[in-house]
Amino acid sequence: QSALTQPASVSGSPGQSITIPCTGTSSDVGYYNYVSWYQQHPGKAPKLMIYEVTNRPSGISNRFSGSKSGNTASLTISGLQAEDEADYYCSSYTDTSTLVFGGGTKLTVV
Amino acid sequence: QMQLLESGPGLVKPSQTLSLNCTVSGVSFNSGGHYWSWLRQFPGKGLEWIGYIYYSGTSYYNPSLTSRISISIDSSKNQFSLTLSSVTAADTAVYFCATTPGGYGDFSDWGQGTLVTVSS
Repeated sequence: QSALTQPASVSGSPGQSITIPCTGTSSDVGYYNYVSWYQQHPGKAPKLMIYEVTNRPSGISNRFSGSKSGNTASLTISGLQAEDEADYYCSSYTDTSTLVFGGGTKLTVV
Repeated sequence: QMQLLESGPGLVKPSQTLSLNCTVSGVSFNSGGHYWSWLRQFPGKGLEWIGYIYYSGTSYYNPSLTSRISISIDSSKNQFSLTLSSVTAADTAVYFCATTPGGYGDFSDWGQGTLVTVSS
């Protein structure tokens, strides 16, 4: 059982926007602003898309954005493209100086 | 540009010790700014943080694994290593090495991953 809860799957059409929620507790997501999001294509290593809730690493499209409210963080992808189809994972630093991940969400672009 | 590469046996017998190395290029181990990390991904796709070590040698481990794991660093070889003892089939996973600048889970650089299967 994963420490953070994500929906198993979401889908959207090209050009649309989707949001993936990541629900934790007051000991992780709600405690610090250290939530990250990763994109993973089959057979590849995860790729950092968002860090510290809202920040994008250099080279990441501004179609990807992050937010947080209470114990739930969210990743929003706007202007969906076929290449966005992948698995997405959230992670959070915790109040015991550990790291926890969500179970992952499969995004299908239909 | 930083590159990380995992190496080690792909098959380990139950109850034995799993040992993996991660060789890093493109950055000096003796400078700060990197927490050298191990993570794994189970066949059902879930990701798990194993632990990380700072260049000073200070290490941080997943509490669920702390009794079985050790992460060490060899600056002379630009390598860091993972040992996981008393393995079972539940330890079968793809093992990744990665780095996070601040230690807060923003893993910015990853190795390609190596599959380790625990089986007799």
